[in-house]
Amino acid sequence: AQSVTQLGSHVSVSEGALVLLRCNYSSSVPPYLFWYVQYPNQGLQLLLKYTSAATLVKGINGFEAEFKKSETSFHLTKPSAHMSDAAEYFCAVTTGSSYKLIFGSGTRLLVRP
Amino acid sequence: EAGVTQFPSHSVIEKGQTVTLRCDPISGHDNLYWYRRVMGKEIKFLLHFVKESKQDESGMPNNRFLAERTGGTYSTLKVQPAELEDSGVYFCASSLMPGQSEQYFGPGTRLTVT
Repeated sequence: AQSVTQLGSHVSVSEGALVLLRCNYSSSVPPYLFWYVQYPNQGLQLLLKYTSAATLVKGINGFEAEFKKSETSFHLTKPSAHMSDAAEYFCAVTTGSSYKLIFGSGTRLLVRP
Repeated sequence: EAGVTQFPSHSVIEKGQTVTLRCDPISGHDNLYWYRRVMGKEIKFLLHFVKESKQDESGMPNNRFLAERTGGTYSTLKVQPAELEDSGVYFCASSLMPGQSEQYFGPGTRLTVT
């Protein structure tokens, strides 16, 4: 069975500071991993995905994530937070033979001016 | 290109009533998914259509929930009769292929059962 754990339901950073949102996964087969973002009153938007190519994945809006198999992690980072990054972020996992996404509980990012 | 659309955006109903949620996927996407997020919990898979066929409905909570996708285009999710615990946000998503293919999400329908 697959699962995702997101550490920290809320993360607060200052504008310009490093953003680090943590995601650990559990999967008995090679996983596909995703980060989605939800802005207020909008649907989930894909930030980036890992599908067994490069372990360092670059996404939209300056975000990137590194797949670390030894640590079963897929943490999301951004060097410098912007006020517009305030949103809820979801890590999700699936496999090549599956189709349903298994989500973490989400992390709400607050960016302080 | 239009994204995934859902209707209504909000619905407030009383316990015991019936509600029907609608999802229009991106044109050409054979795969359609329903997910639900109950307040404070993670987003959970409900079911998956390929065209008009249900591929997996293992996430459907109980037989009060009925999903259809007539003609392989839009989908409806009916809750009858609604219970308090059905409150949450219902998301629809669509994709070209399953698996590693990106799922495009709609804005969700917020259902409140009072």
